[in-house]
Amino acid sequence: EAQVTQNPRYLITVTGKKLTVTCSQNMNHEYMSWYRQDPGLGLRQIYYSMNVEVTDKGDVPEGYKVSRKEKRNFPLILESPSPNQTSLYFCASSQIAGEPPNEQFFGPGTRLTVL
Amino acid sequence: AQSVTQLGSHVSVSEGALVLLRCNYSSSVPPYLFWYVQYPNQGLQLLLKYTSAATLVKGINGFEAEFKKSETSFHLTKPSAHMSDAAEYFCAVSDMNTNAGKSTFGDGTTLTVKP
Repeated sequence: EAQVTQNPRYLITVTGKKLTVTCSQNMNHEYMSWYRQDPGLGLRQIYYSMNVEVTDKGDVPEGYKVSRKEKRNFPLILESPSPNQTSLYFCASSQIAGEPPNEQFFGPGTRLTVL
Repeated sequence: AQSVTQLGSHVSVSEGALVLLRCNYSSSVPPYLFWYVQYPNQGLQLLLKYTSAATLVKGINGFEAEFKKSETSFHLTKPSAHMSDAAEYFCAVSDMNTNAGKSTFGDGTTLTVKP
């Protein structure tokens, strides 16, 4: 089954404790992206990657890091989480080759609470 | 720079009534436009996308959207609402030159369907 998976689905942590949220896709998509969803603010793009070893900032990259060492994986790293990073996070992927526009496929979300 | 404005954060209709969710966009180049739906506790899934082949786009579950360049709009409609349509709906725009690169989502519209 074609899908985007995220782990963990739920996470409660404390301020300053480094964490990683994993994202993996099995569709051989070149493009991957991370979003955060907050009430009344819709989805805001954190980082995206057009291919392996190619990443770029979205609209709200502060406090986050990403890496793209393999095509299928795109982990989101919070080096020193703060309470304002409490949010619902979505990973998404899309193909780039072929006739545009190409829609994004979303993971189930990770609900993060930083105390 | 691109942006999306969804008018009305909450829309309530009666079952069987017309659904109209509004989306206006701003883009410096001809845009790629999408509507996504998010059911409770799930990720986003594609409803429909504007491909430039036709201004009236049909999607899943009886939804359609009309691209109006003069009004910079891409409103979503459904002739007759069903209880199962209750969800949050997001309009999104991607820069045509970068295809899926930089994606901007609206703040979302929550649709409530009353029996």
